[in-house]
Amino acid sequence: SQTIHQWPATLVQPVGSPLSLECTVEGTSNPNLYWYRQAAGRGLQLLFYSVGIGQISSEVPQNLSASRPQDRQFILSSKKLLLSDSGFYLCAWTGTPTGANVLTFGAGSRLTVL
Amino acid sequence: AQSVAQPEDQVNVAEGNPLTVKCTYSVSGNPYLFWYVQYPNRGLQFLLKYITGDNLVKGSYGFEAEFNKSQTSFHLKKPSALVSDSALYFCAVRDGYNFNKFYFGSGTKLNVKP
Repeated sequence: SQTIHQWPATLVQPVGSPLSLECTVEGTSNPNLYWYRQAAGRGLQLLFYSVGIGQISSEVPQNLSASRPQDRQFILSSKKLLLSDSGFYLCAWTGTPTGANVLTFGAGSRLTVL
Repeated sequence: AQSVAQPEDQVNVAEGNPLTVKCTYSVSGNPYLFWYVQYPNRGLQFLLKYITGDNLVKGSYGFEAEFNKSQTSFHLKKPSALVSDSALYFCAVRDGYNFNKFYFGSGTKLNVKP
């Protein structure tokens, strides 16, 4: 069966520091991978998605970047964090993008920028 | 443009009563609709989906949803609410032109009182 892992689960960082959140998927190959941000426990904002190694689509101009160095690894980064980067970051994956495939989410990473 | 609206920030029901969480959508092409549930500080869990076929879709934990094409709605329902159903519920739609993208509503907080 497939599993998705995100780490770290919780992170407290000062303004201006770098960020690296990592996500890996097991038990599947060539997944579509996604990063969402959830602010204030509410709506989800799609940040990035990737359909293959090195292929990144950015949805919203951000102080963030994403990379996919391996097939099942997706990394969210920032060179200098802002206060507004605080939030709950969710990684997700789906299989071949037919209409029926669902998004499966990781447990999330809570980032607090002070 | 694809979008999802959840008009209620919060829904309060008594345990044992039926519940409805509302969702309306706007999508180009065929609608692929999903419901997810989120418990505090957790990732989203898939409940059910509508792809095609019967307008009444049954999912996990006794939930069901009714697809109404003329009203562009996909309301989540359960005949008898449990206290443990209290959580944040998200409706989502898949982009009809780009299956790689999912759009989420703002979420509805369900409170089930004993």
